[in-house]
Amino acid sequence: DSGVTQTPKHLITATGQRVTLRCSPRSGDLSVYWYQQSLDQGLQFLIQYYNGEERAKGNILERFSAQQFPDLHSELNLSSLELGDSALYFCASSVSAGVSNEQFFGPGTRLTVL
Amino acid sequence: SQKIEQNSEALNIQEGKTATLTCNYTNYSPAYLQWYRQDPGRGPVFLLLIRENEKEKRKERLKVTFDTTLKQSLFHITASQPADSATYLCALAGLGSSNTGKLIFGQGTTLQVKP
Repeated sequence: DSGVTQTPKHLITATGQRVTLRCSPRSGDLSVYWYQQSLDQGLQFLIQYYNGEERAKGNILERFSAQQFPDLHSELNLSSLELGDSALYFCASSVSAGVSNEQFFGPGTRLTVL
Repeated sequence: SQKIEQNSEALNIQEGKTATLTCNYTNYSPAYLQWYRQDPGRGPVFLLLIRENEKEKRKERLKVTFDTTLKQSLFHITASQPADSATYLCALAGLGSSNTGKLIFGQGTTLQVKP
């Protein structure tokens, strides 16, 4: 158990809908990351937050947005869902924002868009 | 174009042997390289981190090398066990001048250790 929690575990929804994925980092970690993993694209970095502020951005679609709240939990919002958004979404956390930190991954949310 | 390549074919070895996994990258200049283990349906688990000025790092039965000239990292598991069977991901970090935790992952290599 990494100490990172993600809810829900599974999510099934229809195209065009909007969903929110939630992540609680390990106690004491200030940085949160979101990744998307699909069979064809592998594990792709979406976005990083550090202590409530956006720190780095990957190839995150405009339909996707995220935020980190004062209690350090984070939410990833996915809207106007398409079939291709079906994937495993992982949250990870680390102590600080920098490059030399190991990241602790949560168990993931499996999103299925029908 | 930028690429990270790991052996796409599964690596099958006998218990007790040394497994060697390769990570090659093109048109990146990472300051750090990390290795993670991922079991089916679960999140990746951190194994080792190596800096660009380090040639080799060890942790118990694991060893990683980092050759910035060849743009390659090798990951070794000695005295392999069936419990080592998993997918192993390499990840580049410290790209460009920004100090962020952004990781760029390879596709992973699946290792199968047979008893």
